[in-house]
Amino acid sequence: DIQLTQSPSFLSASVGDRVTITCRASQDISNYLAWYQQKPGKSPKLLIYAASTLQSGVSSRFSGTGSGTEFTLTVNSLQPEDFATYFCQQVNNYPRTFGQGTKVEIK
Amino acid sequence: EVQFLESGGDLVQPGGSLRLSCAASGFTFSDFVMSWVRQAPGKGLEWVSSISSSGAYTYYADSVKGRFTVSRDNSKNTLYLQMDSLRAEDTAVYYCAKDTVVFEGANDSWGQGTLVTVSS
Repeated sequence: DIQLTQSPSFLSASVGDRVTITCRASQDISNYLAWYQQKPGKSPKLLIYAASTLQSGVSSRFSGTGSGTEFTLTVNSLQPEDFATYFCQQVNNYPRTFGQGTKVEIK
Repeated sequence: EVQFLESGGDLVQPGGSLRLSCAASGFTFSDFVMSWVRQAPGKGLEWVSSISSSGAYTYYADSVKGRFTVSRDNSKNTLYLQMDSLRAEDTAVYYCAKDTVVFEGANDSWGQGTLVTVSS
């Protein structure tokens, strides 16, 4: 099975900051990676698919890069509504796996 | 508008069974791969199972293989998860989710979740 490791697990930032979250895969997954945002008590929301394609309706503050085994999610000019937990997911093959999550909190 | 109505979550004893349902609307259900994803209290997301658009192909996480069965009824626009031999570690909120049109695997729409609690 493909393992995904996110870093950091926890991130403290201020409104207006630029934050970057990394997701590393245990083997080459090409660009078969998605990023989700989840707020407490809510369902996950798709932000990015195919490693770098912004989902319709998602703010352009969010961007994704990477291929192979290393991927990043960047949030530019962090807004109050961006404080949440972020997960990566590989969809290269089954079983589909998620990273352990990165919680972004207000400094 | 894509909508899901999940049901079936409950408190069940270890070794027991439950069937979750996810009624879909707002899109052509029979065109899409559907999945179940769960989240234990205070934990991350765990992919559980997926089923092809026709229902011919099913996939499971190792943690549930042989105990859970995913199915769908395209005439009723409904996804199911039959859960047998339940364990305490199956306690979680279970979400149904739909794959995107353009990138199979990424889930662009999610249900609200239904809570399964396995405890004596």
